[in-house]
Amino acid sequence: EVHLVESGGGLVQPGGSLRLSCAASGFTFSSYAMSWVRQAPGKGLEWVSSISGSTGSTYYTDSVRGRFTISRDNFKNTLYLQMNSLRAEDTAVYYCAKDQALFNGMDVWGQGTTVTVFS
Amino acid sequence: SYELTQPPSVSVSPGQTARITCSGDELPNQFAYWYRQKPGQAPVLVIYKDIQRPSGIPERFSGSRSGTTVTLTISGVQAEDEAEYYCQSADSRGAYVFGTGTKVTVL
Repeated sequence: EVHLVESGGGLVQPGGSLRLSCAASGFTFSSYAMSWVRQAPGKGLEWVSSISGSTGSTYYTDSVRGRFTISRDNFKNTLYLQMNSLRAEDTAVYYCAKDQALFNGMDVWGQGTTVTVFS
Repeated sequence: SYELTQPPSVSVSPGQTARITCSGDELPNQFAYWYRQKPGQAPVLVIYKDIQRPSGIPERFSGSRSGTTVTLTISGVQAEDEAEYYCQSADSRGAYVFGTGTKVTVL
């Protein structure tokens, strides 16, 4: 069974850092692009970042470019999101998702991990 | 930035048909995807590449497109279909975009 499990969320002050992880199982991790999507409290879904499967090409939404870094370890079947210079507006549930193919929809989602940036 | 616009809400009686639209200028050039999200749960893909239905998604879910608008249709709505629905596509720069979301209420 295909499974994604996020971890690493928590409480952090503005300007702080967190690293999210997403452990994947049940599929050939290195063959698929992966993405992070977030949802602020009471708000809609917002794409954050994606990374291709083999080349590791990365893509970011404008509001996080330069502050967040997506990466992957294809040996550990794990996706990461390093978040620096966190702001109150980054408060959200962060989901990792498996792309069917890069920019071709997300067919498997994790249950999410909560990031709260507070002062 | 590129936006996908959905109606905030759709209300439908059980057994009737719900139609949710999603409009965006770049939709003619990109596939559309639809997700269902119930409160406290992760999103679930219900339609991909405009009209394809993933395994396990009931046949009452279907997708269509016309020009700059794509539509998710739920035929014979059931109480369990009450949820938030989001469309998604990609833009020409290499980025995903989600629609604004539509709350489907089953009366």
